[in-house]
Amino acid sequence: AQSVSQHNHHVILSEAASLELGCNYSYGGTVNLFWYVQYPGQHLQLLLKYFSGDPLVKGIKGFEAEFIKSKFSFNLRKPSVQWSDTAEYFCAVNAYLTGTASKLTFGTGTRLQVTL
Amino acid sequence: DVKVTQSSRYLVKRTGEKVFLECVQDMDHENMFWYRQDPGLGLRLIYFSYDVKMKEKGDIPEGYSVSREKKERFSLILESASTNQTSMYLCASSPGGGDEKLFFGSGTQLSVL
Repeated sequence: AQSVSQHNHHVILSEAASLELGCNYSYGGTVNLFWYVQYPGQHLQLLLKYFSGDPLVKGIKGFEAEFIKSKFSFNLRKPSVQWSDTAEYFCAVNAYLTGTASKLTFGTGTRLQVTL
Repeated sequence: DVKVTQSSRYLVKRTGEKVFLECVQDMDHENMFWYRQDPGLGLRLIYFSYDVKMKEKGDIPEGYSVSREKKERFSLILESASTNQTSMYLCASSPGGGDEKLFFGSGTQLSVL
């Protein structure tokens, strides 16, 4: 079974600092990788995803993530964070198990707090 | 925009009660999911369904069951609620056919006393 590890549980940064959130997964087969974000009081929404092709993917709001297959990693980055990036970030991996349905497994989440 | 609607935002129930959590999506999605979200544990998959009347166990199905009689509706049932089922429950749907982007509802915060 696949699993996802997010090593940073709580990150505090000042505005304009650079961000990198770690995500490692364990699964030997083909995977699709996602980052979801949950802003305070809002529902989860997709930030970016990797299916195939260029391992550097760009998402909304200036976020990007790099898929490094040899390291089983999919770290999220942003060069300069804003106060509005305060949120909880979840990495997820998708392995095809049953028919056309895919089972998305989430990490435990990283709470990002951006201070002014 | 896809809309995933969960019937209740907050719910308080007593131990031993049967609890129904309802979820409806309006975009004709094939797949529907129930997760629970707990601090420090992230999202854990309870059950999912890839077709009407089809269901598959997720990672933590114990104490739960589901029903999908119509494509747009996916219900989560707690047969006999217990205090350790106090949690935020999230419903999600995805189109299927290779498009795995999940659309989430706003969640139901269930408290079992």
